[in-house]
Amino acid sequence: KAGVTQTPRYLIKTRGQQVTLSCSPISGHRSVSWYQQTPGQGLQFLFEYFSETQRNKGNFPGRFSGRQFSNSRSEMNVSTLELGDSALYLCASSLARSHEQFFGPGTRLTVL
Amino acid sequence: GENVEQHPSTLSVQEGDSAVIKCTYSDSASNYFPWYKQELGKRPQLIIDIRSNVGEKKDQRIAVTLNKTAKHFSLHITETQPEDSAVYFCAATKAAAGNKLTFGGGTRVLVKP
Repeated sequence: KAGVTQTPRYLIKTRGQQVTLSCSPISGHRSVSWYQQTPGQGLQFLFEYFSETQRNKGNFPGRFSGRQFSNSRSEMNVSTLELGDSALYLCASSLARSHEQFFGPGTRLTVL
Repeated sequence: GENVEQHPSTLSVQEGDSAVIKCTYSDSASNYFPWYKQELGKRPQLIIDIRSNVGEKKDQRIAVTLNKTAKHFSLHITETQPEDSAVYFCAATKAAAGNKLTFGGGTRVLVKP
């Protein structure tokens, strides 16, 4: 099976702009989770989507949002970008009844 | 919420020696504990996991042990090789949290040839 894919792989934006990142899970996986990875804060959970519904949400401001489509592909959106949003954004997919999560390669977002 | 602490933050070992990384968690309801390996510029890869109904699990040179009473779990790598050099992350979650993983801060392992 093909692994988790994320697009784009790299993004450069300026403060105040918004950005949309995409994640395609492993075929058959219905749960998609998003994480932010930074050198200072490590890996932090953003949110999880399952069957097009947000099932869990981490402690991030409302500028961070997401959605999931009927084919389980997911997008996350960050509005009004801040310098501190520069990070590697990882998505992970898993089967409906399994905790095992498999990560995508990530999208490296740089905010200038 | 859940809090996971990981030690040490860096670990340097000689090739062939063993490496041990320890994590403690705070939520006694946590019941799934995965370990991920992340090489430079790569995605985190699930290398082994353990559930709360098991005390130990082994897969070739890697093993994980879980002590529910003390709320800690450890990763053991035996006969280390240069390709084991990477950052290792532990994590924890519970059934009520869906797939929300709480990660430790990571351990940078360097295996010296």
